[in-house]
Amino acid sequence: EIVMTQSPATLSVSPGERATLSCRAGQSISTKLAWYQQKPGQAPRLLIYDASTRATGIPASFSGSGSGTEFTLTITSLQSEDIAVYYCQQYYRWPPLTFGQGTKVEIK
Amino acid sequence: EVQLLESGGDLVQPGGSLRLTCAASGFTFSNYAMSWVRQAPGKGLQWVSVIYGGTGQTYYADSVKGRFTISRDNSKTTLYLQMSSLRAEDTAVYYCTRCRGADCYSPFENWGQGTLVTVSS
Repeated sequence: EIVMTQSPATLSVSPGERATLSCRAGQSISTKLAWYQQKPGQAPRLLIYDASTRATGIPASFSGSGSGTEFTLTITSLQSEDIAVYYCQQYYRWPPLTFGQGTKVEIK
Repeated sequence: EVQLLESGGDLVQPGGSLRLTCAASGFTFSNYAMSWVRQAPGKGLQWVSVIYGGTGQTYYADSVKGRFTISRDNSKTTLYLQMSSLRAEDTAVYYCTRCRGADCYSPFENWGQGTLVTVSS
């Protein structure tokens, strides 16, 4: 099983500032990584796949980078509507398909 | 527009059974792998099962193997999850998801709104 580890658990960012979220894979997963956003009371939504490709309708303020075992999701200018929990997920080798434990982004 | 609408969640006693249904629309259902992902209250996301579109090949998380059965009816564009021998730790919101391609070496591109399964006496 490929273990996905996200950091930090909670990230407090001032409005308009940059938010940087990290995800580490227990072994190399090439670029087979997705990021999801889950707002309170809602289903998750795909943001980024293949480590750096934005999903349909996702604004350019969200960007992903990385390969191998280290990945980053960046929100360039945090807005109130970006408050959510963000999950990474690998689809390189499975079963099982595995998620990170999530990073909660809050307004400072 | 892709739509995934789950139903069937309920309160069930430990050891009981339940069948979840996901009605899909807005895409060629048989061309895509489908999956169930669950989320226990206040917890993170956990993959449960995948079924391929063409071959019907299935995969399960170890925690549900032998107790849950995923299936699909391509003619009805519907995905199912038959759950038996339910345990308290199966309590979760269950999401129906569509993989981005014919297999799940791809992200979960679309999600339903979820259906709550509560296992309790």
